[in-house]
Amino acid sequence: AQTVTQSQPEMSVQEAETVTLSCTYDTSESDYYLFWYKQPPSRQMILVIRQEAYKQQNATENRFSVNFQKAAKSFSLKISDSQLGDAAMYFCAYRSPSGTYKYIFGTGTRLKVLA
Amino acid sequence: NAGVMQNPRHLVRRRGQEARLRCSPMKGHSHVYWYRQLPEEGLKFMVYLQKENIIDESGMPKERFSAEFPKEGPSILRIQQVVRGDSAAYFCASSPGDRGREKLFFGSGTQLSVL
Repeated sequence: AQTVTQSQPEMSVQEAETVTLSCTYDTSESDYYLFWYKQPPSRQMILVIRQEAYKQQNATENRFSVNFQKAAKSFSLKISDSQLGDAAMYFCAYRSPSGTYKYIFGTGTRLKVLA
Repeated sequence: NAGVMQNPRHLVRRRGQEARLRCSPMKGHSHVYWYRQLPEEGLKFMVYLQKENIIDESGMPKERFSAEFPKEGPSILRIQQVVRGDSAAYFCASSPGDRGREKLFFGSGTQLSVL
């Protein structure tokens, strides 16, 4: 069975600095999708970035980028120029390309942004 | 286009009562997923439904929990005879048909508190 591990329960970053959140996963599949979701205090789950495993190029969305290391089964999120609005819980998620497409989530990392 | 609508946002029940959580998917979406989030944990898959069909209920407890997605109206997650351990945030997500299942759109969740 697939698993997703986020080993950092909490991280802090100074405003305008860069922070990296870690995520590792375990799977025997060769093709899959990986996601980072942001959950602010409002509880809304917001998709930050998505990566297809068959793509070697790391995904980028404005200040958010990933470091996808398929062999190491690692999928870290880098947030550049951190802003106060980035403070939230961040969840890494895995999705199989087949079957019922259910997502498997990690336990989350709480990001604090210091002014 | 309204997003995924969940109600109520907060629900308080006493032990032994029934809880009904509603989810209206995005317009045009025929696939609904329910997830549960315990405090300080990630989202755990419960059940996947299409209109009038339960496709995958592997994450749902066998007793007291049931879900439906009728031809007309919202999807309902029902918890009978609630216990304190049922206290959690319950999230609904929807996606378009088969060709769009890679993208899930989440509601803001229902926070269930069992006294």
